[in-house]
Amino acid sequence: KAGVTQTPRYLIKTRGQQVTLSCSPISGHRSVSWYQQTPGQGLQFLFEYFSETQRNKGNFPGRFSGRQFSNSRSEMNVSTLELGDSALYLCASSPGQGARIGMTYEQYFGPGTRLTVT
Amino acid sequence: GESVGLHLPTLSVQEGDNSIINCAYSNSASDYFIWYKQESGKGPQFIIDIRSNMDKRQGQRVTVLLNKTVKHLSLQIAATQPGDSAVYFCADYSSGGSYIPTFGRGTSLIVHP
Repeated sequence: KAGVTQTPRYLIKTRGQQVTLSCSPISGHRSVSWYQQTPGQGLQFLFEYFSETQRNKGNFPGRFSGRQFSNSRSEMNVSTLELGDSALYLCASSPGQGARIGMTYEQYFGPGTRLTVT
Repeated sequence: GESVGLHLPTLSVQEGDNSIINCAYSNSASDYFIWYKQESGKGPQFIIDIRSNMDKRQGQRVTVLLNKTVKHLSLQIAATQPGDSAVYFCADYSSGGSYIPTFGRGTSLIVHP
């Protein structure tokens, strides 16, 4: 079974521009989560989508948005890029029950998109 | 998990030793915890999880211990191998409000052959 794929793998953008990152989950997985990883802040949760609905959202400004399509593929968008948005953006998929249900919540991460804002 | 600064703590061990990696969390309402392994250039990989109604859980060569009194989590790796070299970090989920993860900064494990 193919793993989580993210495109593009590397991206260089200029401050003020916007960017769209794409994530294809493992086949059959209905939940997709996005994370930002930086040396300064570590790994931080951005948002989670399940069946095209945002289920949870982390503490990020409104410049960060996402969506999920009917085939479970997801995109995240960052508008008006700032230098501090330079990071590794990770996508993870899971079958969909969520951490709260009482079962093991095993997410499968993609390799990430390395975004550099200049 | 807590933020502990810019530089990751490092644990250096010899192949075959047992390794213990620690993590402190700050939210007393956290009731679900996961340990992840992240190798260079890859996304995090789930290792083991534990719920707050347990204080110990064992997997293959790994054991997680949870001390809710002092809000501390540890990951024990038995017979550490060079392939275990990676950054390890914990995540905790709080039962209050949105059930989203907070991640520790991580520990870099270096295993010498």
